[in-house]
Amino acid sequence: AQSVSQHNHHVILSEAASLELGCNYSYGGTVNLFWYVQYPGQHLQLLLKYFSGDPLVKGIKGFEAEFIKSKFSFNLRKPSVQWSDTAEYFCAVNARGATNKLIFGTGTLLAVQP
Amino acid sequence: GAVVSQHPSRVICKSGTSVKIECRSLDFQATTMFWYRQFPKQSLMLMATSNEGSKATYEQGVEKDKFLINHASLTLSTLTVTSAHPEDSSFYICSASRGLEDEQYFGPGTRLTVT
Repeated sequence: AQSVSQHNHHVILSEAASLELGCNYSYGGTVNLFWYVQYPGQHLQLLLKYFSGDPLVKGIKGFEAEFIKSKFSFNLRKPSVQWSDTAEYFCAVNARGATNKLIFGTGTLLAVQP
Repeated sequence: GAVVSQHPSRVICKSGTSVKIECRSLDFQATTMFWYRQFPKQSLMLMATSNEGSKATYEQGVEKDKFLINHASLTLSTLTVTSAHPEDSSFYICSASRGLEDEQYFGPGTRLTVT
């Protein structure tokens, strides 16, 4: 069965600090990978996705993620966070070609202090 | 584009009653809609996958007779929580997708409180 692990449950950073959120998945086949963000009081929004091609994916708002197949990882990064990045971040995966059913990680709550 | 709405945003009901939640794709046709449940400080748990015109596929452990899902058109899916109990209180989120390789677009969620 597929599963997704996010090891950082709660991260607190100061503005301008660099961010890296870990995501590891467990699945034997080919996957599509996603990062979603949920700002306070808002619905889930797609930050970025990886389907195929360049394993370094750039998303909105300066976020990027790198797919490392050998490590089953898809870590999210941002070189310099802003207060407005305070949100909950979810990594998700689906099995390519079979279904677009998403399996979500437990989420990481990011608090950026001004 | 790709906006998904949910109605109502909040609902409070008494134990034993039924509640219907609507999920609409406003500007696209969704061949597949998904229903999730999110407990406080936890992740989204997929409850069921709904394809237009066919029966929903429920995840293991989800009671299909309790959580009735209807996907009658390409823009509307409904989730009915039947004979609701306090343990059904949760945040229910739907998403919609145009196809197998499309991303999911999420609704704003519905907060259900059963008293």
